[in-house]
Amino acid sequence: DTAVSQTPKYLVTQMGNDKSIKCEQNLGHDTMYWYKQDSKKFLKIMFSYNNKELIINETVPNRFSPKSPDKAHLNLHINSLELGDSAVYFCASREGQTNTEAFFGQGTRLTVV
Amino acid sequence: SQKIEQNSEALNIQEGKTATLTCNYTNYSPAYLQWYRQDPGRGPVFLLLIRENEKEKRKERLKVTFDTTLKQSLFHITASQPADSATYLCALVVTGNQFYFGTGTSLTVIP
Repeated sequence: DTAVSQTPKYLVTQMGNDKSIKCEQNLGHDTMYWYKQDSKKFLKIMFSYNNKELIINETVPNRFSPKSPDKAHLNLHINSLELGDSAVYFCASREGQTNTEAFFGQGTRLTVV
Repeated sequence: SQKIEQNSEALNIQEGKTATLTCNYTNYSPAYLQWYRQDPGRGPVFLLLIRENEKEKRKERLKVTFDTTLKQSLFHITASQPADSATYLCALVVTGNQFYFGTGTSLTVIP
């Protein structure tokens, strides 16, 4: 079984549309993250979510919103997509303690045309 | 401002040599530091973790050092192999579960 799974793997959409990326982890972790990886491969943290506490990177536009229906899921909703949103988005999870590693999903390549 | 910089975007070395990657950070006080490997089209995969009170950690052909005075971590791959070719990322974990990645170094091991 895949520990952290994201769907879809590829997403092509037009500017102005609203889209969602789903993430599920079966590891029993209580902290989940969303990262954006740009063309230069830099992984930028967007959100972290722990026991219903959401920490938002202040540089993330409010068009992006995470939704967590339960501890195993953290979905990413994006409204009014822009060309600059094109990137690979990674979901990750880890246990809440600081000395644990993160497990990443396979990534979702979003292309806005 | 807070920064995590890795020595170079790309590093090429000959098979069998030791690859040394650098991670420098400013304005962070990490509880510990981790190294990840990322292959094309895949998510990062955890390799090693080192705590702020540890100087060195080893795992098979991998070695990590952590100098909190210099604010630097070095990542070594000894007896490198073409299969070690990938992008390597350092990550700082600070309080509040915040997890920040460096800029990454693309390593190519030439046969």
